[in-house]
Amino acid sequence: EAQVTQNPRYLITVTGKKLTVTCSQNMNHEYMSWYRQDPGLGLRQIYYSMNVEVTDKGDVPEGYKVSRKEKRNFPLILESPSPNQTSLYFCASSFATGNNEQFFGPGTRLTVL
Amino acid sequence: AQSVAQPEDQVNVAEGNPLTVKCTYSVSGNPYLFWYVQYPNRGLQFLLKYITGDNLVKGSYGFEAEFNKSQTSFHLKKPSALVSDSALYFCAVRDPYGNNRLAFGKGNQVVVIP
Repeated sequence: EAQVTQNPRYLITVTGKKLTVTCSQNMNHEYMSWYRQDPGLGLRQIYYSMNVEVTDKGDVPEGYKVSRKEKRNFPLILESPSPNQTSLYFCASSFATGNNEQFFGPGTRLTVL
Repeated sequence: AQSVAQPEDQVNVAEGNPLTVKCTYSVSGNPYLFWYVQYPNRGLQFLLKYITGDNLVKGSYGFEAEFNKSQTSFHLKKPSALVSDSALYFCAVRDPYGNNRLAFGKGNQVVVIP
């Protein structure tokens, strides 16, 4: 089954404790992206990647890191999480050309205390 | 940079009545436009897209959307709403000559009343 998977689905952590949210897709997509969803703000893009070893900042990259060492994986790293990073996070992937729709993962609900 | 406006936070409609969710966009060139739906505790699902050609686009679950270049709009419509259509709907735009980034609107909560 074609899908985007994220782990963990739920995470409660404390300020400053490094964490990684994994994202994997099995559709051979070149493009992958991370979004955060906050009430009243919709989805905002954090980082995206056009292909292996190619990443770029989205609209709200501060406090986040990403890497793209393999085509299928695109982990999101929070080196020192803060309470304002409490949010619902989505990973998405698509083929590289802009007219293709994105496939979304199920989401990761992160709470930073 | 491209952007999307979804002017209504919530749309209430009676079951069986027509449903419209509004979206206007801003982009420097000709846009690629998308609608996604999010059901509770789920990720976003693709509904339909406009790339080029016919201004009326048909998608999943009986939804359609009309591209209007002069009004820079891409409203989502369904002739007869179902209770199961109650969800959060997002409009998104991509500038095909830009950086391939997809800009989302804030989303519209649709409530279909039985």
